Amino acid sequence: EAQVTQNPRYLITVTGKKLTVTCSQNMNHEYMSWYRQDPGLGLRQIYYSMNVEVTDKGDVPEGYKVSRKEKRNFPLILESPSPNQTSLYFCASRVVSIGSPLHFGNGTRLTVT
Amino acid sequence: GNSVTQMEGPVTLSEEAFLTINCTYTATGYPSLFWYVQYPGEGLQLLLKATKADDKGSNKGFEATYRKETTSFHLEKGSVQVSDSAVYFCALTDNYGQNFVFGPGTRLSVLP
Repeated sequence: EAQVTQNPRYLITVTGKKLTVTCSQNMNHEYMSWYRQDPGLGLRQIYYSMNVEVTDKGDVPEGYKVSRKEKRNFPLILESPSPNQTSLYFCASRVVSIGSPLHFGNGTRLTVT
Repeated sequence: GNSVTQMEGPVTLSEEAFLTINCTYTATGYPSLFWYVQYPGEGLQLLLKATKADDKGSNKGFEATYRKETTSFHLEKGSVQVSDSAVYFCALTDNYGQNFVFGPGTRLSVLP
């Protein structure tokens, strides 16, 4: 089944403890992206990647890192999480062509205390 | 830059009522337009799309027509069901199919 898989679904951590949220897609998509969703703010893009070893900042990159060493994986790294990074996070992927849709994972709900 | 504006929610309807969720956009050139739906506890799912002017996207009884003259892509359904309760997002990509821009989302609640 074609899908984007994120792990974990839920994560509770403390301020300053490094964490990684994994994202993997099995559709051979070039483009991958991370979003955060907050009440009243909609979806905001954190980072995106057009292909392997190519990443770029989105609208809210501060406090986050990403890497794209393989086409299928795009992990999101929080080196020193803070409470303002408590949010719902989505990974997404797509083919880079006009009209192709984004495919989303089921989300990771992160709480930083 | 590109942007998407959606009507503010929440929208509350009775079952079998007619639904319209307005979406307008600002973009250069010829963007592709999308509607996504997010059910509680889930990720966003593509509902329908249109890639050129006057195209009509449709799925599960929902429809939206790409109107370039009014820069709009309003979502409609003739008879909503309780199971349609969700958050609906309008979105666009630019000419080159690179970055997505999302609207803020509209929460729909359908009462039995």
